[in-house]
Amino acid sequence: AQKITQTQPGMFVQEKEAVTLDCTYDTSDQSYGLFWYKQPSSGEMIFLIYQGSYDEQNATEGRYSLNFQKARKSANLVISASQLGDSAMYFCAMREGQRGYQKVTFGTGTKLQVIP
Amino acid sequence: ETGVTQSPTHLIKTRGQQVTLRCSSQSGHNTVSWYQQALGQGPQFIFQYYREEENGRGNFPPRFSGLQFPNYSSELNVNALELDDSALYLCASSGGLAGGTWTDTQYFGPGTRLTVL
Repeated sequence: AQKITQTQPGMFVQEKEAVTLDCTYDTSDQSYGLFWYKQPSSGEMIFLIYQGSYDEQNATEGRYSLNFQKARKSANLVISASQLGDSAMYFCAMREGQRGYQKVTFGTGTKLQVIP
Repeated sequence: ETGVTQSPTHLIKTRGQQVTLRCSSQSGHNTVSWYQQALGQGPQFIFQYYREEENGRGNFPPRFSGLQFPNYSSELNVNALELDDSALYLCASSGGLAGGTWTDTQYFGPGTRLTVL
């Protein structure tokens, strides 16, 4: 089974609108972390937001928020007020295991295109 | 605070050759992870180094090897290059303090794009 599933290969959003990128995960660990990264065409992986499995509040970082639904094993990224610079690949990722071993598994990504 | 750096940016090799990629971790970080990202795919975990020891490995053959140095910088070595090794190789550092709190978040370098002909 895939550990991280991103079902949307591509998404379009109008500038200034909000968009939700889906991510579901599979793990039997009690302690894990969920991340979202942005990868522009230049290739660099840019950290956006982190949610720990024990965090009760949904994480927020500026225009990014993570809709964490633990029972459904989903960790969707919400981008509010989309900007043209948000056009990029977005990867959901999960860290499993205890501190000190930080293997991170990535999904296949969603390509977001912001339309003017 | 210095971010993660990688060298070289681009590299072209021929099948059967050997290559060494380098990574300098973000200051204060003691863990380095390496990933291979083929075109159109998500990054795949190669291995991780923590305090100069290999601390975990993905499904990559032994011809992929690495080192971590006392200053926490790292090298990825690939022997007997194959055409399928053509990819973007990403280094990520983690394991440090951010705002007074320990963070496991991995911060990535710009990558090295390897082409094997």
